[in-house]
Amino acid sequence: KAGVTQTPRYLIKTRGQQVTLSCSPISGHRSVSWYQQTPGQGLQFLFEYFSETQRNKGNFPGRFSGRQFSNSRSEMNVSTLELGDSALYLCASSLARGGGLEQFFGPGTRLTVL
Amino acid sequence: KNQVEQSPQSLIILEGKNCTLQCNYTVSPFSNLRWYKQDTGRGPVSLTIMTFSENTKSNGRYTATLDADTKQSSLHITASQLSDSASYICVVSPTGGFKTIFGAGTRLFVKA
Repeated sequence: KAGVTQTPRYLIKTRGQQVTLSCSPISGHRSVSWYQQTPGQGLQFLFEYFSETQRNKGNFPGRFSGRQFSNSRSEMNVSTLELGDSALYLCASSLARGGGLEQFFGPGTRLTVL
Repeated sequence: KNQVEQSPQSLIILEGKNCTLQCNYTVSPFSNLRWYKQDTGRGPVSLTIMTFSENTKSNGRYTATLDADTKQSSLHITASQLSDSASYICVVSPTGGFKTIFGAGTRLFVKA
């Protein structure tokens, strides 16, 4: 069974631009959660989608948004990029909401904002 | 407030030695507690998952323990290898579908 895939793996953008990251969950998983991880920081929760609806949201500005499609694939968008948005963005999929069952992580997208 | 605190923040050990990482949590009630290993620049990989009623779970050289009374978990690594150098993250999922809580992680360095 294929794992969680994320595209692209690496991305370089400049301040003010916008970016879209993609996550394909494990087949059959309906929950997709997104996390931001900066050097030396723990995983910071962005949001969770389940059955195409945002179920939980972390403390990030409105520049960070996401959506989930009917096939459970999810995208995350960051508008008006800032230098501080440089980070590893991870998505995780799970069978159930809230990570109550095990979450499986993708390899991440490394975003660099110049 | 639900929290997960890990100690130490970082640890250096010699190859072949054992070590124990700690996780204290205030999340209650919770459905499961997990330990993940994260290599630099990669996504976390699950090591163990325990429900609140379990008190130990092993995965090769990794053994996790859980004491629900004291709200503590530990991850013991036996006969460490250079490839064990990574961050180890303790994760607790509250019941009721609430947000999973992540610890800040322990950075382990294994030296030859």
